[in-house]
Amino acid sequence: GNSVTQMEGPVTLSEEAFLTINCTYTATGYPSLFWYVQYPGEGLQLLLKATKADDKGSNKGFEATYRKETTSFHLEKGSVQVSDSAVYFCALSFSGSYNTDKLIFGTGTRLQVFP
Amino acid sequence: EAGVTQFPSHSVIEKGQTVTLRCDPISGHDNLYWYRRVMGKEIKFLLHFVKESKQDESGMPNNRFLAERTGGTYSTLKVQPAELEDSGVYFCASSQDRSRQFFGPGTRLTVL
Repeated sequence: GNSVTQMEGPVTLSEEAFLTINCTYTATGYPSLFWYVQYPGEGLQLLLKATKADDKGSNKGFEATYRKETTSFHLEKGSVQVSDSAVYFCALSFSGSYNTDKLIFGTGTRLQVFP
Repeated sequence: EAGVTQFPSHSVIEKGQTVTLRCDPISGHDNLYWYRRVMGKEIKFLLHFVKESKQDESGMPNNRFLAERTGGTYSTLKVQPAELEDSGVYFCASSQDRSRQFFGPGTRLTVL
């Protein structure tokens, strides 16, 4: 079946450190891939997405590249800030008229950034 | 423009009681989704409405859960009777063209 696996948290970093949160997927077909972020007390927000192999999604200094050969979509940021502290969810879906576009999520990774 | 809203933000009930969660999507969004996250686990899809019709309800766990979307606007998710394992956070999302889902803040349900 289709599934998403992401690294266990929490990830604890100092401000300005480099961030990587690993995400791999299993899918029958060619899904779209997403990173969602949930800040404390808020709902999930789309952070970035990629719809086909080798696409790079980017937003707010975060990046992730759709790697079909390794079935991965790792999230990276060169210099994290305290305000990046949140829970990050990797997800996939199959968009299109003939497919359900439900999102399939990983378990989430909590990021804590300290000054 | 208002985002997706959910009510209540938190509900505490006893096992065997009934709870109804409400979701108001972004105005004009025909697509409405329900998801839930049980303690520490992944967020799981429950169902998808297109207007008032159920497009996909493959994630509904059992017949204690009933979702409705009368008139294609807001939606309710009723759990009757509630069990301990129903505790978690229930998220609603809406979408206009199905390319991006906008999520509400969630309802935290605690069943004692």
